[in-house]
Amino acid sequence: QVQLVQSGAEVKKPGASVKVSCKASGFTFTVYHMHWVRQAPGQGLEWMGWINPNTGGTHFAQRFQDRVTMTRDTSINTAYMELNSLKPDDTAVYYCVREGLMGAAPFDHWGQGTLVTVSS
Amino acid sequence: DIQMTQSPSSLAVSVGDRVTITCRASQSIASYLNWYQQKPGKAPKLLIYAASTLESGVPSRFSGSGYGTDFTLTISSLQPEDFATYFCLQSYTVPRAFGQGTNLEIK
Repeated sequence: QVQLVQSGAEVKKPGASVKVSCKASGFTFTVYHMHWVRQAPGQGLEWMGWINPNTGGTHFAQRFQDRVTMTRDTSINTAYMELNSLKPDDTAVYYCVREGLMGAAPFDHWGQGTLVTVSS
Repeated sequence: DIQMTQSPSSLAVSVGDRVTITCRASQSIASYLNWYQQKPGKAPKLLIYAASTLESGVPSRFSGSGYGTDFTLTISSLQPEDFATYFCLQSYTVPRAFGQGTNLEIK
């Protein structure tokens, strides 16, 4: 079955960086675009960007353009999201998400989420 | 960028009620609209994609409709396990955009 297993919770100081991993199994990793979505405590969902695991091509939301990197390692079916220059309002649960191939390309499988806390 | 406006933000309902949630896109997104359910501490779960297609395993009391800019999620007879937050997502273009969410509360 499809699984996306993310790395564990992180606590970071303002100005630091965080790198979250997402290990995929149960499907051909290079066929599906992978997205990253975050959710601040008690808030809604915010799209950050996506990566094409086949080519490594990426597209980011404008507000993260200069702070986020998305990469992948196809040898271990793992996607990564790194966010730099962390601020307290980056405190959120970060999800990796698979984009399905069916009509409308919905986000059809989600990782369990990784809580990133930014605090001095 | 496409903006998604979801309403209402919260709704007090009872078991057995018929529930309707709406999402409006700031421009046409054809049928590229998806609905999710999220329970506290859990990842969202896909309910409906392409505006009206029920995801496998989702109960038939959930249905979706709409095209272009106006979309609706309907729960025909609310069950206890349906108390949750519901989000819409446009997948027509990037940046992807979510609605603000609708929290179903017990009346």
